[in-house]
Amino acid sequence: QVQLVESGGGVVQPGRSLRLSCAASGFTFSDYGMHWVRQAPGKGLEWVALISHDGSHELYTDSVKGRFTISRDTSKNTLYLQMSSLRVEDTAVYFCARDLIPSSNSWLAYWGQGTLVTVSS
Amino acid sequence: DIQMTQSPSSLSASVGDRVTITCRASQSINYFLSWYQQKPGKAPKLLIYAASSLQSGVPSRFSGSESGTDFTLTISSLQLEDFATYYCQQSYNTPYTFGQGTNLEIK
Repeated sequence: QVQLVESGGGVVQPGRSLRLSCAASGFTFSDYGMHWVRQAPGKGLEWVALISHDGSHELYTDSVKGRFTISRDTSKNTLYLQMSSLRVEDTAVYFCARDLIPSSNSWLAYWGQGTLVTVSS
Repeated sequence: DIQMTQSPSSLSASVGDRVTITCRASQSINYFLSWYQQKPGKAPKLLIYAASSLQSGVPSRFSGSESGTDFTLTISSLQLEDFATYYCQQSYNTPYTFGQGTNLEIK
Protein backbone atom coordinates (compact mmCIF):
# COMPACT_ATOMS: atom_id res chain seq x y z
CA GLN A 1 0.00 0.00 0.00
CA VAL A 2 1.03 3.61 -0.47
CA GLN A 3 3.23 4.85 2.35
CA LEU A 4 4.82 8.26 2.84
CA VAL A 5 7.11 8.88 5.79
CA GLU A 6 8.46 12.36 6.49
CA SER A 7 11.60 13.06 8.49
CA GLY A 8 14.05 15.86 9.14
CA GLY A 9 11.95 18.19 11.24
CA GLY A 10 13.23 19.79 14.42
CA VAL A 11 14.04 23.05 16.13
CA VAL A 12 16.11 25.53 14.14
CA GLN A 13 17.11 29.15 14.62
CA PRO A 14 15.80 31.88 12.32
CA GLY A 15 17.95 32.29 9.24
CA ARG A 16 19.23 28.72 9.32
CA SER A 17 18.50 25.84 6.95
CA LEU A 18 16.80 22.46 7.21
CA ARG A 19 16.08 19.65 4.76
CA LEU A 20 12.95 17.56 5.01
CA SER A 21 12.67 14.12 3.45
CA CYS A 22 9.66 12.05 2.48
CA ALA A 23 10.34 8.36 1.86
CA ALA A 24 7.82 6.82 -0.52
CA SER A 25 6.89 3.18 -0.95
CA GLY A 26 4.11 1.02 -2.33
CA PHE A 27 3.92 2.69 -5.74
CA THR A 28 6.06 3.71 -8.72
CA PHE A 29 7.48 6.98 -7.41
CA SER A 30 8.40 8.38 -10.82
CA ASP A 31 4.79 8.19 -12.02
CA TYR A 32 3.29 10.74 -9.62
CA GLY A 33 3.42 14.43 -8.87
CA MET A 34 4.30 15.20 -5.27
CA HIS A 35 3.47 18.08 -2.95
CA TRP A 36 4.44 19.67 0.35
CA VAL A 37 1.68 21.16 2.51
CA ARG A 38 2.15 22.78 5.90
CA GLN A 39 0.01 23.55 8.90
CA ALA A 40 1.02 26.09 11.53
CA PRO A 41 0.04 25.16 15.11
CA GLY A 42 -3.72 25.52 15.52
CA LYS A 43 -4.12 26.89 11.98
CA GLY A 44 -5.39 25.72 8.62
CA LEU A 45 -3.64 24.02 5.73
CA GLU A 46 -1.26 25.86 3.40
CA TRP A 47 0.03 24.41 0.15
CA VAL A 48 3.79 24.97 -0.15
CA ALA A 49 5.17 23.40 -3.32
CA LEU A 50 4.76 20.76 -5.97
CA ILE A 51 7.08 18.86 -8.28
CA SER A 52 5.90 17.07 -11.38
CA HIS A 53 6.26 13.33 -11.76
CA ASP A 54 9.39 13.68 -13.88
CA GLY A 55 10.87 16.56 -11.92
CA SER A 56 10.58 18.94 -14.86
CA HIS A 57 8.27 21.40 -13.13
CA GLU A 58 8.47 22.94 -9.67
CA LEU A 59 5.97 25.45 -8.33
CA TYR A 60 5.90 27.30 -5.02
CA THR A 61 3.71 29.50 -2.92
CA ASP A 62 4.97 33.09 -2.92
CA SER A 63 6.08 33.16 0.71
CA VAL A 64 8.71 30.45 0.16
CA LYS A 65 9.92 31.29 -3.36
CA GLY A 66 13.67 31.75 -3.41
CA ARG A 67 14.03 30.18 0.04
CA PHE A 68 12.65 26.63 -0.39
CA THR A 69 13.51 24.07 -3.05
CA ILE A 70 11.50 20.94 -3.75
CA SER A 71 13.29 18.02 -5.38
CA ARG A 72 13.00 14.29 -5.85
CA ASP A 73 15.40 11.37 -6.15
CA THR A 74 13.84 8.50 -8.06
CA SER A 75 16.71 6.15 -7.23
CA LYS A 76 15.89 6.60 -3.54
CA ASN A 77 12.11 7.01 -3.90
CA THR A 78 12.42 10.15 -1.83
CA LEU A 79 10.99 13.64 -1.98
CA TYR A 80 12.85 16.55 -0.42
CA LEU A 81 12.18 20.06 0.74
CA GLN A 82 15.31 22.15 1.23
CA MET A 83 14.42 25.10 3.42
CA SER A 84 16.78 28.03 3.87
CA SER A 85 16.58 31.49 5.46
CA LEU A 86 13.96 30.08 7.78
CA ARG A 87 11.58 32.46 9.52
CA VAL A 88 9.52 32.14 12.67
CA GLU A 89 6.41 32.05 10.48
CA ASP A 90 7.67 28.86 8.78
CA THR A 91 6.95 26.99 12.02
CA ALA A 92 4.49 24.24 11.10
CA VAL A 93 3.88 20.57 10.60
CA TYR A 94 5.02 19.75 7.07
CA PHE A 95 3.17 17.03 5.18
CA CYS A 96 4.19 15.42 1.92
CA ALA A 97 1.42 14.22 -0.34
CA ARG A 98 1.11 12.15 -3.51
CA ASP A 99 -1.22 12.88 -6.35
CA LEU A 100 -4.14 10.60 -7.11
CA ILE A 101 -3.54 10.11 -10.82
CA PRO A 102 -0.26 9.37 -12.65
CA SER A 103 1.29 12.44 -14.26
CA SER A 104 -1.28 14.70 -12.57
CA ASN A 105 -0.53 17.50 -10.13
CA SER A 106 -4.05 18.23 -8.94
CA TRP A 107 -5.38 15.81 -6.35
CA LEU A 108 -3.60 15.22 -3.03
CA ALA A 109 -4.73 11.70 -2.34
CA TYR A 110 -2.12 10.18 -0.04
CA TRP A 111 -0.44 11.97 2.85
CA GLY A 112 2.37 11.29 5.25
CA GLN A 113 2.00 11.73 8.99
CA GLY A 114 3.87 15.04 8.99
CA THR A 115 7.08 16.35 10.55
CA LEU A 116 7.21 19.37 12.85
CA VAL A 117 9.53 22.26 12.07
CA THR A 118 9.95 24.85 14.80
CA VAL A 119 11.84 28.04 13.98
CA SER A 120 12.82 29.78 17.17
CA SER A 121 15.77 31.54 18.71
CA ASP B 1 -4.19 34.14 -5.92
CA ILE B 2 -7.57 32.40 -5.91
CA GLN B 3 -9.40 32.91 -2.62
CA MET B 4 -11.52 30.08 -1.24
CA THR B 5 -14.22 31.27 1.15
CA GLN B 6 -15.55 28.39 3.20
CA SER B 7 -18.65 28.50 5.39
CA PRO B 8 -19.58 28.00 8.08
CA SER B 9 -16.36 28.12 10.10
CA SER B 10 -17.96 25.92 12.74
CA LEU B 11 -21.04 23.78 12.91
CA SER B 12 -22.76 21.80 15.65
CA ALA B 13 -24.81 18.81 14.57
CA SER B 14 -26.14 15.51 15.82
CA VAL B 15 -25.64 11.95 14.66
CA GLY B 16 -28.01 11.30 11.78
CA ASP B 17 -28.21 14.95 10.68
CA ARG B 18 -27.69 16.05 7.09
CA VAL B 19 -24.88 18.60 6.91
CA THR B 20 -23.77 20.95 4.15
CA ILE B 21 -20.49 22.87 3.93
CA THR B 22 -19.93 25.43 1.20
CA CYS B 23 -16.85 26.83 -0.52
CA ARG B 24 -16.89 29.79 -2.89
CA ALA B 25 -13.99 30.44 -5.24
CA SER B 26 -13.02 34.03 -6.12
CA GLN B 27 -12.90 33.08 -9.81
CA SER B 28 -13.76 30.17 -12.03
CA ILE B 29 -11.85 27.02 -11.12
CA ASN B 30 -13.81 24.60 -13.32
CA TYR B 31 -13.97 21.32 -11.42
CA PHE B 32 -10.55 21.63 -9.75
CA LEU B 33 -11.88 21.37 -6.22
CA SER B 34 -11.14 18.83 -3.51
CA TRP B 35 -12.57 18.23 -0.04
CA TYR B 36 -10.54 16.89 2.88
CA GLN B 37 -11.34 15.66 6.36
CA GLN B 38 -8.82 16.17 9.15
CA LYS B 39 -8.91 14.84 12.68
CA PRO B 40 -6.71 16.25 15.48
CA GLY B 41 -3.08 15.23 15.17
CA LYS B 42 -3.68 13.42 11.88
CA ALA B 43 -3.00 14.09 8.23
CA PRO B 44 -5.83 15.28 6.01
CA LYS B 45 -7.81 12.63 4.16
CA LEU B 46 -9.09 13.16 0.62
CA LEU B 47 -12.87 12.71 0.46
CA ILE B 48 -13.92 14.26 -2.85
CA TYR B 49 -11.88 15.28 -5.91
CA ALA B 50 -12.84 16.95 -9.18
CA ALA B 51 -15.72 18.60 -7.31
CA SER B 52 -17.94 15.52 -7.17
CA SER B 53 -15.86 12.33 -7.51
CA LEU B 54 -15.81 10.16 -4.41
CA GLN B 55 -12.34 8.96 -3.43
CA SER B 56 -12.02 5.19 -3.17
CA GLY B 57 -12.93 3.86 0.26
CA VAL B 58 -14.87 6.95 1.33
CA PRO B 59 -18.43 6.22 2.49
CA SER B 60 -21.20 7.12 0.07
CA ARG B 61 -22.85 9.42 2.62
CA PHE B 62 -20.25 11.99 1.48
CA SER B 63 -20.99 13.81 -1.76
CA GLY B 64 -19.82 16.92 -3.58
CA SER B 65 -21.45 19.26 -6.05
CA GLU B 66 -20.71 22.46 -7.91
CA SER B 67 -22.65 25.40 -9.26
CA GLY B 68 -20.46 27.93 -10.99
CA THR B 69 -17.93 29.06 -8.40
CA ASP B 70 -19.87 27.57 -5.48
CA PHE B 71 -18.99 24.10 -4.25
CA THR B 72 -20.77 22.02 -1.64
CA LEU B 73 -19.83 19.06 0.52
CA THR B 74 -22.81 17.17 1.87
CA ILE B 75 -22.84 14.48 4.53
CA SER B 76 -26.21 12.79 4.23
CA SER B 77 -26.41 11.19 7.68
CA LEU B 78 -23.72 12.13 10.18
CA GLN B 79 -21.90 9.34 11.94
CA LEU B 80 -19.83 9.67 15.10
CA GLU B 81 -16.58 9.29 13.13
CA ASP B 82 -17.46 12.27 10.91
CA PHE B 83 -16.88 14.87 13.60
CA ALA B 84 -13.70 16.56 12.38
CA THR B 85 -12.47 19.61 10.48
CA TYR B 86 -13.19 19.86 6.76
CA TYR B 87 -11.26 21.82 4.16
CA CYS B 88 -11.85 22.64 0.52
CA GLN B 89 -8.91 23.24 -1.83
CA GLN B 90 -8.62 24.53 -5.38
CA SER B 91 -6.02 23.09 -7.74
CA TYR B 92 -6.87 25.16 -10.81
CA ASN B 93 -3.98 27.59 -10.40
CA THR B 94 -0.93 27.72 -8.21
CA PRO B 95 -0.61 28.63 -5.46
CA TYR B 96 -3.17 26.00 -4.61
CA THR B 97 -5.33 27.45 -1.86
CA PHE B 98 -7.42 25.99 0.91
CA GLY B 99 -10.53 27.25 2.57
CA GLN B 100 -10.15 28.25 6.21
CA GLY B 101 -11.82 25.07 7.42
CA THR B 102 -15.10 24.03 9.02
CA ASN B 103 -14.99 22.53 12.49
CA LEU B 104 -17.85 20.03 12.75
CA GLU B 105 -18.74 19.39 16.38
CA ILE B 106 -21.18 17.17 18.19
CA LYS B 107 -24.29 18.99 19.41
